[in-house]
Amino acid sequence: KQEVTQIPAALSVPEGENLVLNCSFTDSAIYNLQWFRQDPGKGLTSLLLIQSSQREQTSGRLNASLDKSSGRSTLYIAASQPGDSATYLCAVRGDYKLSFGAGTTVTVRA
Amino acid sequence: NAGVTQTPKFRVLKTGQSMTLLCAQDMNHEYMYWYRQDPGMGLRLIHYSVGEGTTAKGEVPDGYNVSRLKKQNFLLGLESAAPSQTSVYFCASSKKQGTEQFFGPGTRLTVL
Repeated sequence: KQEVTQIPAALSVPEGENLVLNCSFTDSAIYNLQWFRQDPGKGLTSLLLIQSSQREQTSGRLNASLDKSSGRSTLYIAASQPGDSATYLCAVRGDYKLSFGAGTTVTVRA
Repeated sequence: NAGVTQTPKFRVLKTGQSMTLLCAQDMNHEYMYWYRQDPGMGLRLIHYSVGEGTTAKGEVPDGYNVSRLKKQNFLLGLESAAPSQTSVYFCASSKKQGTEQFFGPGTRLTVL
């Protein structure tokens, strides 16, 4: 059974600092990995999707890397802003479903 | 495009009552999913569908039933609600297997 872990569970940084969010998974047989953002009381917004054959994916200030063999992904958010405050979830795609981590809740202090 | 929508947004049930949650998508996606999200846990897959008229069990299917009579709709039913089913329910859809999943805003269900 795929286990997805996100450490730390919560993170607080001053505005302008770069954010580094970690995700680890136990089974390297994945199709892809997806990073989501969730605001309080809201649904999930997809940020980046990395296919298993890719090493990284970039969108604006966001960069996600994938090391499938070691079961790790990292989401980097450059020059954080208060609007980046949210919970970030990673999910790995196995044969038919996404397996989610519990998320990292980020607070960016102005 | 509305994307993925869910009805209702909130609901309170008494133990033993039944209800149906509706999910609709206007992206012509083949795959649809129902998840539940509980505090401190990741989202868990309840049921999913790979196309109109098909359904399959996910990770935590007990106590739920689903139907996909139309491609754009995916219904989640609770026949006899239990307090353990208090949760936030999310619907998602994707074009095909392995592609990006798009999520609805969620339904917050409380069972007393």
